[in-house]
Amino acid sequence: KQEVTQIPAALSVPEGENLVLNCSFTDSAIYNLQWFRQDPGKGLTSLLLIQSSQREQTSGRLNASLDKSSGRSTLYIAASQPGDSATYLCALTGGSARQLTFGSGTQLTVLP
Amino acid sequence: KAGVTQTPRYLIKTRGQQVTLSCSPISGHRSVSWYQQTPGQGLQFLFEYFSETQRNKGNFPGRFSGRQFSNSRSEMNVSTLELGDSALYLCASSYQVDQETQYFGPGTRLLVL
Repeated sequence: KQEVTQIPAALSVPEGENLVLNCSFTDSAIYNLQWFRQDPGKGLTSLLLIQSSQREQTSGRLNASLDKSSGRSTLYIAASQPGDSATYLCALTGGSARQLTFGSGTQLTVLP
Repeated sequence: KAGVTQTPRYLIKTRGQQVTLSCSPISGHRSVSWYQQTPGQGLQFLFEYFSETQRNKGNFPGRFSGRQFSNSRSEMNVSTLELGDSALYLCASSYQVDQETQYFGPGTRLLVL
């Protein structure tokens, strides 16, 4: 059974800092990995999707990487802003399961 | 394009009642999935529909059911509500089931008293 872990559970940084969020998974047979952000009490906003054949994806200040062999993905946020404060979730589809398996998320707070 | 919409946004029910939640996917999307989010268990997959057929089902009791209509709109039903069913219920849509970004709605927050 696929397990997805996100460490740390919470992170607080000053505005302007570059930061990395981590996601690890136990089964490397994945179709894709997706990073989401969730604001309190709201739904999920898709940030980046990495196909299993890709190593990274970039969108603006965000860069996500995927290393299937080590079972890891990272989300890099450059020049963080208070508006980046949210919970960041990674999720993947893999093997025989078409559904998204989620990590428990990292709650990010960017201090002004 | 309009995003995924879910109705109602908030619901309060009592134990033993039943509830029906609705999800309208992004226009042209044929796959709809449902997830339950609770503080203790996080996000858990309920089921997925594609072209009116249930393709996949998570590990939830039979009290949880769903369906999809020919216009891709989907409903989920929870019968005999329990306190533990209190959660944020999210639906997600995509054009196909694999290799596709899934887009989530704002969710329906259900409180069972």
